[in-house]
Amino acid sequence: SQQGEEDPQALSIQEGENATMNCSYKTSINNLQWYRQNSGRGLVHLILIRSNEREKHSGRLRVTLDTSKKSSSLLITASRAADTASYFCATVVFSGGGADGLTFGKGTHLIIQP
Amino acid sequence: NAGVMQNPRHLVRRRGQEARLRCSPMKGHSHVYWYRQLPEEGLKFMVYLQKENIIDESGMPKERFSAEFPKEGPSILRIQQVVRGDSAAYFCASSRSQGGLAKNIQYFGAGTRLSVL
Repeated sequence: SQQGEEDPQALSIQEGENATMNCSYKTSINNLQWYRQNSGRGLVHLILIRSNEREKHSGRLRVTLDTSKKSSSLLITASRAADTASYFCATVVFSGGGADGLTFGKGTHLIIQP
Repeated sequence: NAGVMQNPRHLVRRRGQEARLRCSPMKGHSHVYWYRQLPEEGLKFMVYLQKENIIDESGMPKERFSAEFPKEGPSILRIQQVVRGDSAAYFCASSRSQGGLAKNIQYFGAGTRLSVL
């Protein structure tokens, strides 16, 4: 089963509105990351939040992490047409061997209507 | 400063043929990861390599799939005797070798889209 599950699966909003996406996971993590994927392209790293952090900001992005509920949210404020993409959360579980593979959810497909 | 380079971008193979996918990590990166993405799905981790070593191959199918990252040259993901179910986008990512959280930020290539006829 998926480690990360994003919700909603698809979200369509008007340009200028805020977009909120959620992610839930199952196991204890070291950190959680959000990535963006434009259609037919590779993933672009957006933001990383450590397990001991509760909130983090980067430009128009705000990420929260609630380890007690094993959930995270990504908020994009003042959305733009260029924000149209799929957004994935990914978790990192250290096994002691160093940088481990990321475990991705299925993603939220965000459409910004002009 | 070139990013992660994958080639080819598109690869068409007939059932039973071999597919070889190449990945050159970012300059200064010694960790390489391969992921597979099916349509409308997230990426699934396949294998993690450092130079000349496979560190974690827990996501690799037990048969027909292999990966290497030689001392010189790109990392190669090899799929022997391809079947239609192997059709997917295969992404490579790399990360730095220094300690700390910098290792966990992975930089992705544009992917290779494999179509098996």
